[in-house]
Amino acid sequence: GAGVSQSPSNKVTEKGKDVELRCDPISGHTALYWYRQSLGQGLEFLIYFQGNSAPDKSGLPSDRFSAERTGGSVSTLTIQRTQQEDSAVYLCASSLGGLAGGYEQYFGPGTRLTVT
Amino acid sequence: DQQVKQNSPSLSVQEGRISILNCDYTNSMFDYFLWYKKYPAEGPTFLISISSIKDKNEDGRFTVFLNKSAKHLSLHIVPSQPGDSAVYFCAATASLGGSQGNLIFGKGTKLSVKP
Repeated sequence: GAGVSQSPSNKVTEKGKDVELRCDPISGHTALYWYRQSLGQGLEFLIYFQGNSAPDKSGLPSDRFSAERTGGSVSTLTIQRTQQEDSAVYLCASSLGGLAGGYEQYFGPGTRLTVT
Repeated sequence: DQQVKQNSPSLSVQEGRISILNCDYTNSMFDYFLWYKKYPAEGPTFLISISSIKDKNEDGRFTVFLNKSAKHLSLHIVPSQPGDSAVYFCAATASLGGSQGNLIFGKGTKLSVKP
């Protein structure tokens, strides 16, 4: 399909393990965003990529979280030594360009992470 | 401190009537506002947006109104249909400054349209 895809759709992991979440943005979209939604909360911004660089990492909750993007396309969000409070739906979005804002973001279906 | 607030967690409306979803913001730097619709187990879907240079934007059954002086926006759906039942998120962004492009979301309002 032509939309944003994410994998896996669900991930259950034990506390302390590392997890990797993947996002494939819409082809041609240079901007990519990671958000998370905890139960009963709105979407919380994590990190923003323009091309392969991340000008805004302000939303990453701790140094256990990191993300990279290669080839201006696929991005992975890595959470090391997972904690129970990391349980949430992790959403990826892409847009044509984030330089001037005002561009609509298109979301993937999300990855539901459960840390036991 | 929440910069985008949706004070009604839920709203129930009869089919055919108007649905009005409200959103307030505190950051005067926000200059672009969006509404997203989310079904369970799916990602948010973009619905409609408005720039701060306008006070109204209409797209079919959906109209967004912006009152900059009150830092308030609303989404009107008329006529409401059962398929509109979903969680609606208000989002805002500032097109200038370091955090260009990332959206600040409200907590959402769950709309139920009853047949």
